[in-house]
Amino acid sequence: EAGVVQSPRYKIIEKKQPVAFWCNPISGHNTLYWYRQNLGQGPELLIRYENEEAVDDSQLPKDRFSAERLKGVDSTLKIQPAELGDSAVYLCASSLGPPLSTEAFFGQGTRLTVV
Amino acid sequence: SQKIEQNSEALNIQEGKTATLTCNYTNYSPAYLQWYRQDPGRGPVFLLLIRENEKEKRKERLKVTFDTTLKQSLFHITASQPADSATYLCAQAGGSYIPTFGRGTSLIVHP
Repeated sequence: EAGVVQSPRYKIIEKKQPVAFWCNPISGHNTLYWYRQNLGQGPELLIRYENEEAVDDSQLPKDRFSAERLKGVDSTLKIQPAELGDSAVYLCASSLGPPLSTEAFFGQGTRLTVV
Repeated sequence: SQKIEQNSEALNIQEGKTATLTCNYTNYSPAYLQWYRQDPGRGPVFLLLIRENEKEKRKERLKVTFDTTLKQSLFHITASQPADSATYLCAQAGGSYIPTFGRGTSLIVHP
């Protein structure tokens, strides 16, 4: 069975441009997470979905970031407009149950470079 | 707010020795604590989970302990191998279920 699939793997954009990331979680996983990981740091939660409902989005910069999870399966994360400080790896993860009570499976991430 | 602290300095050990990594947390005791392995350019991979009412968990060469008095979890790899070289992340979640990761500790096992 395929794991969590993310695309693209790499993205280079100029500042002020929009960018979108896509995530396909493991089939049957109701919980989906988007994390941002800066170099030398641990992943930081941006938003968590339980099925279609967004919960725990307090760390999502809502002025420029948006996310959606259509039909409780695939998810997209968008940044518009991108800033230099948004350069990071964006990780998607999914799990069967609530955070950390069950293991989370991570995708390979999308490395974003804003120039 | 809850913080997770891991040693930012890399841990260098010789093959065959036991590696011990530390995860300290502030404030409240998390309901769950997990350890992940992350290789360069890859997403984290789950290793072990320990609950607050458990003192120790084992899986093959891996062992995790949870000391709520010291507010600390220790992660041990026995008979370490060069293939164990990676960054190891500690993550916790309490009642709010917002997962918080530490910055990770790099382990380098020398042949």
